[in-house]
Amino acid sequence: RKEVEQDPGPFNVPEGATVAFNCTYSNSASQSFFWYRQDCRKEPKLLMSVYSSGNEDGRFTAQLNRASQYISLLIRDSKLSDSATYLCVVTGTASKLTFGTGTRLQVTL
Amino acid sequence: DTAVSQTPKYLVTQMGNDKSIKCEQNLGHDTMYWYKQDSKKFLKIMFSYNNKELIINETVPNRFSPKSPDKAHLNLHINSLELGDSAVYFCASSQNPEGGEQFFGPGTRLTVL
Repeated sequence: RKEVEQDPGPFNVPEGATVAFNCTYSNSASQSFFWYRQDCRKEPKLLMSVYSSGNEDGRFTAQLNRASQYISLLIRDSKLSDSATYLCVVTGTASKLTFGTGTRLQVTL
Repeated sequence: DTAVSQTPKYLVTQMGNDKSIKCEQNLGHDTMYWYKQDSKKFLKIMFSYNNKELIINETVPNRFSPKSPDKAHLNLHINSLELGDSAVYFCASSQNPEGGEQFFGPGTRLTVL
């Protein structure tokens, strides 16, 4: 089983739609969780950290379920500029970041 | 004002050659990393240095040797390049080794012919 698993997509959604991505992780001792965004041929950039109580940043909402070892990202009112690959990231042993393979989102007119 | 910079951006070379990639960060961070992103877009950590000391060394062939002359620089030297080394190599830095936000460089696209 991969340490961090994501549905690779692509998710093709129209502008204005709500879309949700899920991620599961295998290491129950994982401490920190993040969503990174990677545009085509660019470097990954932090989108948001994920806290146990869930957190929101504008149109983006992240949730963590430790019991099920599951993280989600919800994007409301999708914009064309949201088109990117979204990487689920988990801190495992020795504070090493482990990246999922990413979920590709394509927002269309 | 680039936070994490890498050179070169593109590197095309023949099998068997030796090459280096340089990385510098001006964020004042203590920890730096090298990642490899292969053709399937899987991003995997290779090495991590904290204050010039190696703290993470994943299962990487010993043809890859990182060098940190000071905490703002982490270079990657690769000996005897192989076809399978073709990938994008990202350097990153973070405030401390406990994780948190990592800032990535723009990547070096290595093609081995």
